Amino acid sequence: GQNIDQPTEMTATEGAIVQINCTYQTSGFNGLFWYQQHAGEAPTFLSYNVLDGLEEKGRFSSFLSRSKGYSYLLLKELQMKDSASYLCAGRTGTASKLTFGTGTRLQVTL
Amino acid sequence: DTAVSQTPKYLVTQMGNDKSIKCEQNLGHDTMYWYKQDSKKFLKIMFSYNNKELIINETVPNRFSPKSPDKAHLNLHINSLELGDSAVYFCASSPGLAARDTQYFGPGTRLTVL
Repeated sequence: GQNIDQPTEMTATEGAIVQINCTYQTSGFNGLFWYQQHAGEAPTFLSYNVLDGLEEKGRFSSFLSRSKGYSYLLLKELQMKDSASYLCAGRTGTASKLTFGTGTRLQVTL
Repeated sequence: DTAVSQTPKYLVTQMGNDKSIKCEQNLGHDTMYWYKQDSKKFLKIMFSYNNKELIINETVPNRFSPKSPDKAHLNLHINSLELGDSAVYFCASSPGLAARDTQYFGPGTRLTVL
């Protein structure tokens, strides 16, 4: 199965840039997703990578290196509302199974 | 309009009881899922149905039984509830099984077993 590793907690300042890393086992890999989850709410989709490189979506970008089993989520111009957990999830096989990491809890401070 | 909805939002019950959680999606998706998120916020797949057919059945006690009466609904019935079943249960749906298909999550059902 997949092992998804990401840092447990990070703190960053409003207006800054933060990079949240994620490593995964490459066996059977079929795509990588990032989700945002505010406390007490459902995870919401942020980005998807299946090919190497950077996908940019406004203030959020996600990078993937398949050979290294590595991804990161880059958040620019941080806002207080970005304080949330960020979940890295790897897809394997053909049954659309997502394996989630434990999530990185990001605290944005003034 | 709510895309993926679940009922109830909160469920408090005694050990040994049987309870059900319902999920409905109005997105026209073919695939639905049940996830469990424990107290450490770890989100883990339990079941997945594609066109009403069970395609993912993780190592889950057989006290948990999913049922999909049609593509838009996926219910979860839990027998003989135990303390360890306390968690938030999320339903999700995706267009299908394509690699790029995004999963959209419902608001969650917080189950507390006393």
